[in-house]
Amino acid sequence: GAVVSQHPSWVICKSGTSVKIECRSLDFQATTMFWYRQFPKQSLMLMATSNEGSKATYEQGVEKDKFLINHASLTLSTLTVTSAHPEDSSFYICSAPRAGDFYNEQFFGPGTRLTVL
Amino acid sequence: SQKIEQNSEALNIQEGKTATLTCNYTNYSPAYLQWYRQDPGRGPVFLLLIRENEKEKRKERLKVTFDTTLKQSLFHITASQPADSATYLCASNYNQGGKLIFGQGTELSVKP
Repeated sequence: GAVVSQHPSWVICKSGTSVKIECRSLDFQATTMFWYRQFPKQSLMLMATSNEGSKATYEQGVEKDKFLINHASLTLSTLTVTSAHPEDSSFYICSAPRAGDFYNEQFFGPGTRLTVL
Repeated sequence: SQKIEQNSEALNIQEGKTATLTCNYTNYSPAYLQWYRQDPGRGPVFLLLIRENEKEKRKERLKVTFDTTLKQSLFHITASQPADSATYLCASNYNQGGKLIFGQGTELSVKP
């Protein structure tokens, strides 16, 4: 099966610092990856679509200057939370369909727990 | 706007019984619906996908239905086991680009 990894699995940082989260597809190519955020007892909310070779597209209400996305290769997308604040504390999850296949299952990473003090 | 809802936040059943979870959508017609399992502190794991032209899909003890008239999908786990205890998420596409919208999830608890 297809595997998506995330690194780190958890991170604690001070308010005002920036945090980078990596999402990798380990055994398939992913031209598109999606980033979600999940608050406790809530469902996944799509933040942005990461596209290899082009700019990310952001959902309404998500600040693109705060959540920087870079899709560096066919297997790696990074999300950087800039100037993090306690309200950014959440569970961040990425997903990827196999390249070009938007009509079948997506493969989710294990998530990254961000805690901003 | 497009909306997808799971009508139970929590479902408690006895081991061996069939768990039935419901997912309803409004204001759009999804090309497919997907069901995922999520354990605490983990990412979702894909279970089943059913397309708009399919009535029913099965995989081992799992069954999903898609009723485009009722705008509803039902997800069944037969012969439920305590290991089935988790949160189950319903998701659907809402455009051509692979974006998914998720229901709020149903937390299933199977008691021995």
